[in-house]
Amino acid sequence: AQKVTQAQTEISVVEKEDVTLDCVYETRDTTYYLFWYKQPPSGELVFLIRRNSFDEQNEISGRYSWNFQKSTSSFNFTITASQVVDSAVYFCALSEARNGGFKTIFGAGTRLFVKA
Amino acid sequence: DTGVSQDPRHKITKRGQNVTFRCDPISEHNRLYWYRQTLGQGPEFLTYFQNEAQLEKSRLLSDRFSAERPKGSFSTLEIQRTEQGDSAMYLCASSLNSNNSPLHFGNGTRLTVT
Repeated sequence: AQKVTQAQTEISVVEKEDVTLDCVYETRDTTYYLFWYKQPPSGELVFLIRRNSFDEQNEISGRYSWNFQKSTSSFNFTITASQVVDSAVYFCALSEARNGGFKTIFGAGTRLFVKA
Repeated sequence: DTGVSQDPRHKITKRGQNVTFRCDPISEHNRLYWYRQTLGQGPEFLTYFQNEAQLEKSRLLSDRFSAERPKGSFSTLEIQRTEQGDSAMYLCASSLNSNNSPLHFGNGTRLTVT
């Protein structure tokens, strides 16, 4: 069964702190894709990063970095030197082949507050 | 590329009425998805299309919900005999027809059932 768990409901940090958002997934497929999306207060979900199940190489993009570990079924997201503009809800998502297409499900999200 | 467009932005209806929402995906995107989001929750999968074919509908979805994508372009989501529990944000997303394509979301339609 597909499942995405984001155990952290809310995180509050002070600007310039580093913060890690956790994501644990469940799947029976060997081929799948993982994503992180950001939903700012304006409401529209925005894609941040994707990973396929065969690529465990971690990635860094500016202040963002991602740690994918198949052994623990985790795909964690770290923001370094957080800024107030990072305040948003962050969703982890899992995409698997279903019925000729790809179905994506989301975790419940982690709300990040970055205080000045 | 004007992005994913949803109409209306807000809909207030009385319990028992039918409502229909429209989604216009990004023009070259073959896949179209409908999700529902309530306060404090992640998007909940409702259904998705590849071109005009509806590939899956959530088992959580009652028969009061139906979606169409008649020509593989825009899509409509209809809710019949609305209930207060249907109040939510209804999100539409589209993507290219490749396995790792991310979803591009619209701004959503907020439904309030009174």
